Amino acid sequence: GESVGLHLPTLSVQEGDNSIINCAYSNSASDYFIWYKQESGKGPQFIIDIRSNMDKRQGQRVTVLLNKTVKHLSLQIAATQPGDSAVYFCAENNTGNQFYFGTGTSLTVIP
Amino acid sequence: AAGVIQSPRHLIKEKRETATLKCYPIPRHDTVYWYQQGPGQDPQFLISFYEKMQSDKGSIPDRFSAQQFSDYHSELNMSSLELGDSALYFCASSRSSYNSPLHFGNGTRLTVT
Repeated sequence: GESVGLHLPTLSVQEGDNSIINCAYSNSASDYFIWYKQESGKGPQFIIDIRSNMDKRQGQRVTVLLNKTVKHLSLQIAATQPGDSAVYFCAENNTGNQFYFGTGTSLTVIP
Repeated sequence: AAGVIQSPRHLIKEKRETATLKCYPIPRHDTVYWYQQGPGQDPQFLISFYEKMQSDKGSIPDRFSAQQFSDYHSELNMSSLELGDSALYFCASSRSSYNSPLHFGNGTRLTVT
């Protein structure tokens, strides 16, 4: 199956700093990507998505960058807050109704 | 806004028993997905349904089955439960339009003893 993985399993940042979470995917046919945030005891929460015809997409305090050449996806969180502490997953979709998740990155925000 | 509803939130079963998990998608969402998430692991795709028909199949064991009903709710039936089935089971829903994000419920935590 497809392989979607994250470079770092854990990330600690100071409150107010920017966070960057990375994701590598292996299927060059994937054309839709989503970032999810998962807090303890809860389901994954949609943060932002991007289609393969885009390189960058911005939301509120978040930016997703897509580099199709190297099959790399990143999530940038500006002015990280304690409430941003969670596990972050990227997910890819290439065909049909299947989304593959990568290994999550646990983000800890230090007050 | 209405979200995906899953029931029960917690379920404890013994080995070899059966379990049924229910999922109520967001209104007007016609596609339902089931995922299994072990401790410290990423969600693993099990199966999906579109318009009450199975759409895609992932790593769902033969002991498990699922269906989507006429009101679009879905049930995941698990038989001959094993200790390794202990996990969080998430349901997600989406609209059928291409490149539509999945919206997840808060899951059912299944513990098999």
